Amino acid sequence: GNSVTQMEGPVTLSEEAFLTINCTYTATGYPSLFWYVQYPGEGLQLLLKATKADDKGSNKGFEATYRKETTSFHLEKGSVQVSDSAVYFCALTNTGTASKLTFGTGTRLQVTL
Amino acid sequence: KAGVTQTPRYLIKTRGQQVTLSCSPISGHRSVSWYQQTPGQGLQFLFEYFSETQRNKGNFPGRFSGRQFSNSRSEMNVSTLELGDSALYLCASTAADRGYYEQYFGPGTRLTVT
Repeated sequence: GNSVTQMEGPVTLSEEAFLTINCTYTATGYPSLFWYVQYPGEGLQLLLKATKADDKGSNKGFEATYRKETTSFHLEKGSVQVSDSAVYFCALTNTGTASKLTFGTGTRLQVTL
Repeated sequence: KAGVTQTPRYLIKTRGQQVTLSCSPISGHRSVSWYQQTPGQGLQFLFEYFSETQRNKGNFPGRFSGRQFSNSRSEMNVSTLELGDSALYLCASTAADRGYYEQYFGPGTRLTVT
């Protein structure tokens, strides 16, 4: 079946530091890959997506590249802000069950001044 | 355009009771999915409804059920509540009926079972 593995958190960074959150997946076929963000007390917001190999998703300074050869979709940001503090989830959907998101366990990011 | 709304936002129930949660999708969206979020199990897919029919189902016991109305609003029901059902229940709606989906999530209903 499908599965997503994320690096354990929490990740604590100083403002303007470089962020990487690792995500690897197991899936048959050609999954679509996503990063969602959850702020305290809120639901999930789609941060970025990639639907085929070598696609790069980007939004709000965050980027992730769909690497089929390493089955990875690592999230990066060059300079984090305090407002980026949240929980980040890597997720995938697959052909035939495109409405069913399989999530990683989430990585909590804390950015300090 | 209004986002996905969920009611109630918070709920406290006692073991053995049943509960019904409601989700109103974004206008024009025909698919509604439900997820359970707990600290121990993370985010898990419950089921998806499209045009009033259950289209996909996760690995949850039969105590968890849902339905969708002709206006695409959806409800999920949990019967004979257990302590382990305490969770944040999220619903998400999508516009497309096939292919790639972009899911829009509501704020969730936090259910506490005592």
